[in-house]
Amino acid sequence: GDSVTQMEGPVTLSEEAFLTINCTYTATGYPSLFWYVQYPGEGLQLLLKATKADDKGSNKGFEATYRKETTSFHLEKGSVQVSDSAVYFCALSDPGTASKLTFGTGTRLQVTL
Amino acid sequence: EAGVAQSPRYKIIEKRQSVAFWCNPISGHATLYWYQQILGQGPKLLIQFQNNGVVDDSQLPKDRFSAERLKGVDSTLKIQPAKLEDSAVYLCASSLERTGWETQYFGPGTRLLVL
Repeated sequence: GDSVTQMEGPVTLSEEAFLTINCTYTATGYPSLFWYVQYPGEGLQLLLKATKADDKGSNKGFEATYRKETTSFHLEKGSVQVSDSAVYFCALSDPGTASKLTFGTGTRLQVTL
Repeated sequence: EAGVAQSPRYKIIEKRQSVAFWCNPISGHATLYWYQQILGQGPKLLIQFQNNGVVDDSQLPKDRFSAERLKGVDSTLKIQPAKLEDSAVYLCASSLERTGWETQYFGPGTRLLVL
C-alpha cells in the first residue's frame, strides 16, 4: 500500500540556518505530493504541493521538488526563522484512491535565536 | 471565507462512554473527511464523504465508530463505546472536489482523552 517516510525529529536549528526535511514515498500510481504544516495550537495547513514529476512546489520561502526517480519530496528552506517552528507533515494522494491523503509521521522543527 | 469548524475542541470521557464530534466544512465543499491523529503519528483517514454519500470507510472501526453527513453539509462522528486507544485528535477536512491534487482544508481538531 501507499506509505510516506519522513526523517525523525525533532530538528533543532538556529535562526537563518538551512533546513532540509527528508521525505520519501511508496505508491502504486503517480501520486500528488504535499507538505502540510501544523503550528502550535493550530490546525493543519497546506504549505506546498506538486502534482507531477519534476514539479517544484514553493511557498513562504519553502521549496520541494517531486523526484520520481528517487521517490522523494524533500522540504528545504534557505534561512529559517523562529516563526517556522512547527510540525511538518509530508503526504501523498494516490489517484487510485481518489483524494485520500496518506501522511508521514511528522517532523518537529524548533528554531532558536 | 470561513474555515472548517469543529466542536468541541476538547473532550474527556471514561472508557465505555459514548462521544460525538461535529464538523461544518467550508461552504460549497462537496468532499468531507474525518481523520484520526494519534500522538506522534500522522493523521489517518477514517471516512470520506462525497456530498452525503460515503466514498471510503475502509479504515473506520465500524463496530464502535459511525459517521453521517445527512444533508451533504455538516457531519458528525460518533464513538460508542469508547476505548482507551481512541484517545487522539479527530480532524475534519474538506475539499472542493474529489481529485487527487485538490487541496484539503483542515479544521482545528477535537482532542479526545479516554480515561
